[in-house]
Amino acid sequence: NAGVMQNPRHLVRRRGQEARLRCSPMKGHSHVYWYRQLPEEGLKFMVYLQKENIIDESGMPKERFSAEFPKEGPSILRIQQVVRGDSAAYFCASSPRQGEPELFFGEGSRLTVL
Amino acid sequence: AQSVTQPDIHITVSEGASLELRCNYSYGATPYLFWYVQSPGQGLQLLLKYFSGDTLVQGIKGFEAEFKRSQSSFNLRKPSVHWSDAAEYFCAVGLGGYGGATNKLIFGTGTLLAVQP
Repeated sequence: NAGVMQNPRHLVRRRGQEARLRCSPMKGHSHVYWYRQLPEEGLKFMVYLQKENIIDESGMPKERFSAEFPKEGPSILRIQQVVRGDSAAYFCASSPRQGEPELFFGEGSRLTVL
Repeated sequence: AQSVTQPDIHITVSEGASLELRCNYSYGATPYLFWYVQSPGQGLQLLLKYFSGDTLVQGIKGFEAEFKRSQSSFNLRKPSVHWSDAAEYFCAVGLGGYGGATNKLIFGTGTLLAVQP
């Protein structure tokens, strides 16, 4: 039973490039959450998506960041024109239904911006 | 606003000693509560959770936590710490979609545990 799969596990980008992080939820889960963990900090909520819908994007930076969860395929967190401050670990979590309190986390994608 | 406070940033204990990590929350209803552990460069592992019922919950690796509504606390404990417990520990509150809020977890800033031989 595969858990939440994230790739790539590590990504290095130069300033101004684009970063795309992918997340495949657990089988049977249709709700995906993205969190960001800056160095020496806890996890901060970014966005909550259901298939083809953004439910809550209250934690997303207003510019350069976007997320999608298409009908087919993984959820994607996209960061355009990356800056050094985007260097962080990005975690994806999934749940089977709305209101389910427990989230299941992936191993994270670690973005380094040079 | 919902929040989670972990007042201890760093804690050092000797191997074999007891451990208590503090967690306080602010939330307008009975919360869903979680403790996660994270080793360096790794993902989050769920140690235990509280949804309802018995306020003392048992988790993996010999950890337990007690929900105290009157103190808005959910402290993590272990009677005898092992060197392999050195890691960062995060407390989290699950909103569960209550009161119109979307279902998500709010995390504390974490407590970094060091274990001395």
